[in-house]
Amino acid sequence: QKEVEQNSGPLSVPEGAIASLNCTYSDRGSQSFFWYRQYSGKSPELIMSIYSNGDKEDGRFTAQLNKASQYVSLLIRDSQPSDSATYLCAVNGPSGSARQLTFGSGTQLTVLP
Amino acid sequence: ETGVTQTPRHLVMGMTNKKSLKCEQHLGHNAMYWYKQSAKKPLELMFVYNFKEQTENNSVPSRFSPECPNSSHLFLHLHTLQPEDSALYLCASQPGDVVNTIYFGEGSWLTVV
Repeated sequence: QKEVEQNSGPLSVPEGAIASLNCTYSDRGSQSFFWYRQYSGKSPELIMSIYSNGDKEDGRFTAQLNKASQYVSLLIRDSQPSDSATYLCAVNGPSGSARQLTFGSGTQLTVLP
Repeated sequence: ETGVTQTPRHLVMGMTNKKSLKCEQHLGHNAMYWYKQSAKKPLELMFVYNFKEQTENNSVPSRFSPECPNSSHLFLHLHTLQPEDSALYLCASQPGDVVNTIYFGEGSWLTVV
């Protein structure tokens, strides 16, 4: 049973701080990793994807991947109240097929003004 | 607007009713999916269609019946549901079966009474 684990939160950070969201996965064969943002009552929206070890930066977002530790994280710099949402980690298996895409339960982030 | 439209957005049905959820994508994608999202649980993949052929049925009870008449439309027919089936049902699409960017619809909130 492939698993993706996330702290459910809630995680609260003050405006302007760095929010750090963590995710671990059980399948060592996993090849692609995604972070989705889901506002309350809305559908998930892809914000970052990462495929190789290291950091990937996109604006205020940085995804970090460490396959040896089976760990992927999302850093949000200069957090804004509009970043308050649930963040879903998703991990895909070796084939890349959607059949192997596994989601975590999500971490609820609140950015306090 | 993600290009994936779901109707209805909200549905309340009795356990003896028959209803259908509809999904339409305007992106020219070949793969479409149904996911179930229950409170505090990970997204669960229910069905996968690739080029309108069903390629995955994740042990979903027969009271859920999918239909994909063409690569732009996907239905989920519901009958004799249980209260525990109450959830957010998300339709998603992407260009092919290999996961790159999944585009989710806004979801259909289902309440079974």
